[in-house]
Amino acid sequence: DTAVSQTPKYLVTQMGNDKSIKCEQNLGHDTMYWYKQDSKKFLKIMFSYNNKELIINETVPNRFSPKSPDKAHLNLHINSLELGDSAVYFCASRDLDHGYTFGSGTRLTVV
Amino acid sequence: GESVGLHLPTLSVQEGDNSIINCAYSNSASDYFIWYKQESGKGPQFIIDIRSNMDKRQGQRVTVLLNKTVKHLSLQIAATQPGDSAVYFCAENMKAAGNKLTFGGGTRVLVKP
Repeated sequence: DTAVSQTPKYLVTQMGNDKSIKCEQNLGHDTMYWYKQDSKKFLKIMFSYNNKELIINETVPNRFSPKSPDKAHLNLHINSLELGDSAVYFCASRDLDHGYTFGSGTRLTVV
Repeated sequence: GESVGLHLPTLSVQEGDNSIINCAYSNSASDYFIWYKQESGKGPQFIIDIRSNMDKRQGQRVTVLLNKTVKHLSLQIAATQPGDSAVYFCAENMKAAGNKLTFGGGTRVLVKP
């Protein structure tokens, strides 16, 4: 009964590969987010979707493309992975009354 | 520009003592502020929030203080316990920016038995 679930939890891949991270929330929230946490623990927003519509698109390379097939899912596809993409990626969802709920993260390591 | 400033220091606290974590922010247009706790291998977990029209809010063993004059936010943890060891983040929410949540840099709290 995990509220916000991300898969995979760990992802190790070579430079140049394309990979996807999936996120699903069963809270009925309208808004979902992707955050990136670097090695110094700094959390920075990447994207936000509200009911399948892109709301926030921070300065993120075009190699990152979010996709929201429905309001319960927000996936993140990354093309041509680079060493600097190594980080922990967090999915979150939000509704107006209950604030933000974060997933447990996907640790991406590019080698 | 917008920023929530909290360089990542480490706060060592004796079990049973009170902890105070500080945060400075720069965007006076934020509508509310949130404190999160992040344990190793987990995502940020909500602790307490405070709206911009308030200056104090209390929860269970935690109190958040907001000083808009100097743009300062603090989290007080009473009777700190070993389970409180984690990294703590302050964050500001901007409804006008599509409910964009901007995080500070985090403070690591280590509770000594």
